[in-house]
Amino acid sequence: KQEVTQIPAALSVPEGENLVLNCSFTDSAIYNLQWFRQDPGKGLTSLLLIQSSQREQTSGRLNASLDKSSGRSTLYIAASQPGDSATYLCAAADNAGNMLTFGGGTRLMVKP
Amino acid sequence: DGGITQSPKYLFRKEGQNVTLSCEQNLNHDAMYWYRQDPGQGLRLIYYSQIVNDFQKGDIAEGYSVSREKKESFPLTVTSAQKNPTAFYLCASSITVLETQYFGPGTRLLVL
Repeated sequence: KQEVTQIPAALSVPEGENLVLNCSFTDSAIYNLQWFRQDPGKGLTSLLLIQSSQREQTSGRLNASLDKSSGRSTLYIAASQPGDSATYLCAAADNAGNMLTFGGGTRLMVKP
Repeated sequence: DGGITQSPKYLFRKEGQNVTLSCEQNLNHDAMYWYRQDPGQGLRLIYYSQIVNDFQKGDIAEGYSVSREKKESFPLTVTSAQKNPTAFYLCASSITVLETQYFGPGTRLLVL
């Protein structure tokens, strides 16, 4: 059974800092890996999706990488801003693409 | 205005009562999902539906029921058999099960 872990659970950084969020998964037989953002009391917004055959995806200041062999993905946020403060969740899709297994999230606070 | 809507935003349940959470989408997506989120944790899959009149159990289906009579709608009933229903419930949809999932704003269920 797939298990997804995100460390740290919470992170506080000053504005302008580059930062990396970590996601690890136990079963490397995944279809894709996704990163989501969740604001307090709200639904999830998809940020990046990496197919199992890909190594990374980029969108603006965000870059996500995937290393299936080591069971790890990272989300890199460049030049962080207070508006980036939110919870970031990663989720691994099973090999059939049917089910997402979510990590517990990293709660990020960017201080002005 | 396309998207996924969930209602109500807050729902209160009395002991022994069944309650139904609404999820509607006008994105013409075939697949729909229900997740439960407990405080400080990731999402866990309750049920998903790949197509109308079809649905499958997720990891924590006990105490819940769903129907998928229309493409646009995937209501979730929390039955009296669910002993710990207090949580944040999120609905999602995707073009197919292999594509990115888009999330609604969520319903917070509280027990009186």
